[in-house]
Amino acid sequence: EPEVTQTPSHQVTQMGQEVILRCVPISNHLYFYWYRQILGQKVEFLVSFYNNEISEKSEIFDDQFSVERPDGSNFTLKIRSTKLEDSAMYFCASGIKKTEAFFGQGTRLTVV
Amino acid sequence: GEDVEQSLFLSVREGDSSVINCTYTDSSSTYLYWYKQEPGAGLQLLTYIFSNMDMKQDQRLTVLLNKKDKHLSLRIADTQTGDSAIYFCAESFGNEKLTFGTGTRLTIIP
Repeated sequence: EPEVTQTPSHQVTQMGQEVILRCVPISNHLYFYWYRQILGQKVEFLVSFYNNEISEKSEIFDDQFSVERPDGSNFTLKIRSTKLEDSAMYFCASGIKKTEAFFGQGTRLTVV
Repeated sequence: GEDVEQSLFLSVREGDSSVINCTYTDSSSTYLYWYKQEPGAGLQLLTYIFSNMDMKQDQRLTVLLNKKDKHLSLRIADTQTGDSAIYFCAESFGNEKLTFGTGTRLTIIP
């Protein structure tokens, strides 16, 4: 069964460093998302991406964040200058239609 | 604003039915979802219901929606040890963004 895959499963980075989280969505999907879950808190929407552009983003998704779909298969989330409060589990998701989102296993980002 | 609430914990004996409850605040929700998260895994889409429905059944899973009370429930019949997980309720308004609840940790008692 096709699935969304995320790499790495765990990333440790120093505060102020740039980090790129990678995702391979399910191949025929058209909608792509990033969510995050800070330990002990709710899963929060970051951004949605459709037709090669951002379709919606949350207040969390400020200028420090960017997304890219560089080659038609990968979908990346970049954080330019990480802060301690960026430590969270980051989930990528994809869907063939707006009403369904299939999630990856997540990347745990630890900023030290 | 959008808010989705769930109780944090539920314990159920193996073989019994589990009922996980969720309340939401925004009556304009279009779709309501249940996701399952097993340890170390991502969020697995279990089922979802369109807001003009009041019930949906899929094998052991039954979703009930009470729009008047803004209450959603997930019933798992004949609960098994493999059902141990965190269950998340989520809502959307027909756009792409999902708003999640806190998740309910379901523990199965042998």
